[in-house]
Amino acid sequence: GQQLNQSPQSMFIQEGEDVSMNCTSSSIFNTWLWYKQDPGEGPVLLIALYKAGELTSNGRLTAQFGITRKDSFLNISASIPSDVGIYFCAGSDRGSTLGRLYFGRGTQLTVWP
Amino acid sequence: KAGVTQTPRYLIKTRGQQVTLSCSPISGHRSVSWYQQTPGQGLQFLFEYFSETQRNKGNFPGRFSGRQFSNSRSEMNVSTLELGDSALYLCASTPTGNEKLFFGSGTQLSVL
Repeated sequence: GQQLNQSPQSMFIQEGEDVSMNCTSSSIFNTWLWYKQDPGEGPVLLIALYKAGELTSNGRLTAQFGITRKDSFLNISASIPSDVGIYFCAGSDRGSTLGRLYFGRGTQLTVWP
Repeated sequence: KAGVTQTPRYLIKTRGQQVTLSCSPISGHRSVSWYQQTPGQGLQFLFEYFSETQRNKGNFPGRFSGRQFSNSRSEMNVSTLELGDSALYLCASTPTGNEKLFFGSGTQLSVL
């Protein structure tokens, strides 16, 4: 199946700093999504991207669908303590995998006050 | 609107036993997917159901099975439990199976 490489694996930053993470795929995706997971909970959808080159924001979060359709990026501006958690990228090729997402291994974000 | 509800939240079983997990999707959502999450393998797709039919299946042994009822609620069953089945099992729903999955809080299964 498709392999998603997500980096970095972990980040330790100070409150107020900006954060960038990215995800690359071995094959083309039609959709990219970004989720956040808190301990003991399920992933929560942050942003969904549907077109190559698309740039979408959700508050302090901005994500981009790479023009090659094999990558995506997530930026968090002016981080705050509640941004702590694991961020996952996920992709779908819709045509052959209805109902199925491929997930990256996650970026563990720690924010120091 | 209520979110995806999974029960129970925690389960402890011993090797060889079987277990059934339950999932109630968001009202109006007819597609339910199941995922296994472990520290070693991450999030892995188990199967997806729509209108009581399994449409898609991941690479898991036959000990893992599921079903969906006419009200879209779904159950998954794991028979002959192994230590490696210890994981967080997540259920997700979408209106028709499109890619915007909404997840429940999961069932944490521990196999001793």
